Amino acid sequence: SAVISQKPSRDICQRGTSLTIQCQVDSQVTMMFWYRQQPGQSLTLIATANQGSEATYESGFVIDKFPISRPNLTFSTLTVSNMSPEDSSIYLCSVDGLAGRSSYNEQFFGPGTRLTVL
Amino acid sequence: GQQLNQSPQSMFIQEGEDVSMNCTSSSIFNTWLWYKQDPGEGPVLLIALYKAGELTSNGRLTAQFGITRKDSFLNISASIPSDVGIYFCAGQPSQGGSEKLVFGKGMKLTVNP
Repeated sequence: SAVISQKPSRDICQRGTSLTIQCQVDSQVTMMFWYRQQPGQSLTLIATANQGSEATYESGFVIDKFPISRPNLTFSTLTVSNMSPEDSSIYLCSVDGLAGRSSYNEQFFGPGTRLTVL
Repeated sequence: GQQLNQSPQSMFIQEGEDVSMNCTSSSIFNTWLWYKQDPGEGPVLLIALYKAGELTSNGRLTAQFGITRKDSFLNISASIPSDVGIYFCAGQPSQGGSEKLVFGKGMKLTVNP
């Protein structure tokens, strides 16, 4: 599996501000994803981060609210814009398609970023 | 869209007991994955299943990919206190042609020493 790190691990933010979360992988990966996990809930896919092109967003999520960058095969950022208390969640990045592995679908997750919006 | 029904939602067991959980879907899946999430951590992949009927073990964990490709189960034998956590099933739908996963709602396991 890959070693995936996220920064920050947690943050408390004021309403109306924005926070950028970073995801770094120790090896090149084909796919990177961003998920949201609201308290006590399951994981919901926000978007697929595409290297060198715009992210692919799931229904209910838009680029203006959750801009995503993926400048290379090991790094991605998710920004939560104009935050409100409803954005309080854990945000997780995951990766699939590790370089050198067969194309089985095995997503590995980062440790998550716990966001609280006041 | 595709949904996974995971049951039970929670279990309280004594140390040493076995526990079983399952996931079902109304549509066919190509891949089934089982994850465990500890508080404050990201989900950790336990077992991955790729073929209908496949039975795979990882230590005290055993999981199977249902023959119909619409269900999977996970068994934990001889539970220990560190098995406590939330277990999620996840699957890759056969339709859509992407690598996206659909997750179950999770099962919270409590193990009493």
